[in-house]
Amino acid sequence: AQKVTQAQTEISVVEKEDVTLDCVYETRDTTYYLFWYKQPPSGELVFLIRRNSFDEQNEISGRYSWNFQKSTSSFNFTITASQVVDSAVYFCALSEAMEYGNKLVFGAGTILRVKS
Amino acid sequence: DTGVSQNPRHKITKRGQNVTFRCDPISEHNRLYWYRQTLGQGPEFLTYFQNEAQLEKSRLLSDRFSAERPKGSFSTLEIQRTEQGDSAMYLCASSPGRGFTDTQYFGPGTRLTVL
Repeated sequence: AQKVTQAQTEISVVEKEDVTLDCVYETRDTTYYLFWYKQPPSGELVFLIRRNSFDEQNEISGRYSWNFQKSTSSFNFTITASQVVDSAVYFCALSEAMEYGNKLVFGAGTILRVKS
Repeated sequence: DTGVSQNPRHKITKRGQNVTFRCDPISEHNRLYWYRQTLGQGPEFLTYFQNEAQLEKSRLLSDRFSAERPKGSFSTLEIQRTEQGDSAMYLCASSPGRGFTDTQYFGPGTRLTVL
């Protein structure tokens, strides 16, 4: 079965610091997708990024960047110049194929606290 | 373009009562998913609909749980004879149905407390 490990339970940083959230996954599939979601205190999971297993190019979107390394089964997420509004729980997820569709397997999440 | 909506946002019930939650997916999304999230954990998959057909169910979905998606639009999740262990956040997600693995967009969730 698929598994996602987010070893960092909680991270605290001061505003403007850079922070990296780690994600390690296990899968037997040759084709799979990885996701990051943000869950602010309101509770709604907000989609951030989706990457497929064939595309190992790093991606940057504003202050966010993602580093996908298939050799180490990692998909890490970096926030540059963090802001208080970045405070949330961040989840890494891996697609798992079912007979008729796919589901997401989530890690336990990393709580990010950004202090002003 | 409205997102996924869920009602109610909060539900408090007594053990043994039945509860029903509703999810309205993003318009024209033909895939709909239910997940459950307990405190300090990531969401866990419960069930999946393609249009009105319920195609996948997790072992987590005991026989006290039933989900429907009549006419392939909104979905309901009913829990009968609730137990304290059912207390959790119930999240609904929808996706467009393009390709085998597409992006799931989540609603705000329904937080259930069973006393």
